Amino acid sequence: AQSVTQPDIHITVSEGASLELRCNYSYGATPYLFWYVQSPGQGLQLLLKYFSGDTLVQGIKGFEAEFKRSQSSFNLRKPSVHWSDAAEYFCAVGELAGNMLTFGGGTRLMVKP
Amino acid sequence: GAVVSQHPSRVICKSGTSVKIECRSLDFQATTMFWYRQFPKKSLMLMATSNEGSKATYEQGVEKDKFLINHASLTLSTLTVTSAHPEDSSFYICSARRRDIYSPYEQYFGPGTRLTVT
Repeated sequence: AQSVTQPDIHITVSEGASLELRCNYSYGATPYLFWYVQSPGQGLQLLLKYFSGDTLVQGIKGFEAEFKRSQSSFNLRKPSVHWSDAAEYFCAVGELAGNMLTFGGGTRLMVKP
Repeated sequence: GAVVSQHPSRVICKSGTSVKIECRSLDFQATTMFWYRQFPKKSLMLMATSNEGSKATYEQGVEKDKFLINHASLTLSTLTVTSAHPEDSSFYICSARRRDIYSPYEQYFGPGTRLTVT
């Protein structure tokens, strides 16, 4: 069975600083990978996705993520964090059977002024 | 495009009553809709997968008789929490896969429904 691990439950960064959120997955085949963001009391918004091709993918709101097969990782990055980026971030992997998504535990991002 | 709505956004009900939550794809037809439950500060737990016109597939540990799912059309799925109890209080999120675009696993999420059972 596939699994997704987000090692950091909470991360606090200063506004303007760079950000990296870690995501590791366990999956037998080439994974379909996603990053979602959730603001308090809201649903999930897709930031970016990786299906194939270029391992560095660009998303919305200035986010990017890099797929590294050798490390089974799909870390999310942003060069300069804004206060509005404070939210919960979820990494997910697509499961072939049933077309389902398996989510990581989430990382809560807090941004200091 | 690819907007999913949920209604109501918040609901408070008394223990023992039933509550229906609607999930609609507003600008696309959905082949499949998913229902998730999210506990405070926790990740999303898939409850069930529903395809239009067929019975929902429930994840292990989810009571079929308690969480009734109906997927009557390509744009509407409903989740009914029957005989609700305080432990059913949670944030319920639906998502949908598009019918017209081949995009494996990509799901569009609704804004969620906060259910509180008193």
